[in-house]
Amino acid sequence: DAKTTQPNSMESNEEEPVHLPCNHSTISGTDYIHWYRQLPSQGPEYVIHGLTSNVNNRMASLAIAEDRKSSTLILHRATLRDAAVYYCILSDYNFNKFYFGSGTKLNVKP
Amino acid sequence: EAQVTQNPRYLITVTGKKLTVTCSQNMNHEYMSWYRQDPGLGLRQIYYSMNVEVTDKGDVPEGYKVSRKEKRNFPLILESPSPNQTSLYFCASSDRAGNQPQHFGDGTRLSIL
Repeated sequence: DAKTTQPNSMESNEEEPVHLPCNHSTISGTDYIHWYRQLPSQGPEYVIHGLTSNVNNRMASLAIAEDRKSSTLILHRATLRDAAVYYCILSDYNFNKFYFGSGTKLNVKP
Repeated sequence: EAQVTQNPRYLITVTGKKLTVTCSQNMNHEYMSWYRQDPGLGLRQIYYSMNVEVTDKGDVPEGYKVSRKEKRNFPLILESPSPNQTSLYFCASSDRAGNQPQHFGDGTRLSIL
C-alpha cells in the first residue's frame, strides 16, 4: 500500500497561492516528509522537507498537521514555471529509504 | 557544473541480454540511489548506497544488482532483463551531512522486448 496519498491533479491561476495536500496516515514518529517536483522529461527536483514543525524556504512552505498524518505544500504565488508533478514522499530518519506518492499534476493557468 | 550523469539515456534490448546503466556524480556525495518510474506509480526505490562498498535494498530490488566500488559511480545491473523491467530509471545522489536533498539525473528509458 502507498505510504502517501495525493490528488491526481489540481489547477491554479497564475499569481495565486496553491495548496497541495498529502495524506500519510501511517507515518512513523521518525519519518521525514519531503516534497519534490518533476518537470516533463527531467528528474525530480527538491522543493522542501520537514519533520514536525512547519518549514519555509525560497520556493515554498510546508505545513505539517499536529498529528503528522497529513501535510500541505504551499506555493505562495504560482507561476507558469511551477506547472509540474509534485510528489509527497516519506523517508526514514536517516534519509536512506524513500517512498514516493503517485504525485499531483499541477496545471497553472495564465 | 554539479550533476548526476546517466548512460545510456535510451536503450531498447531483448529479454535475457545483460545490461548495465551507469550513474556518475561529480559532487563527492556519499549517498546514491536508483529508482524506477512507471505510469501511475510515482518513483519506487530499487537500491541505495550510503558509501563505498555499502549498499542496501530499496522497495523493489528483485531482478537488479548494484555495486559501489568508487564514490562517484553507482551502476545498475540487470543480469537477465525481462519485459516487466521496461521503465524509466533515475539515479540520485546526496551529501550525507545534515540530511541534504537528493540531486537526480535526467533518466534512462529502458525498453525490454
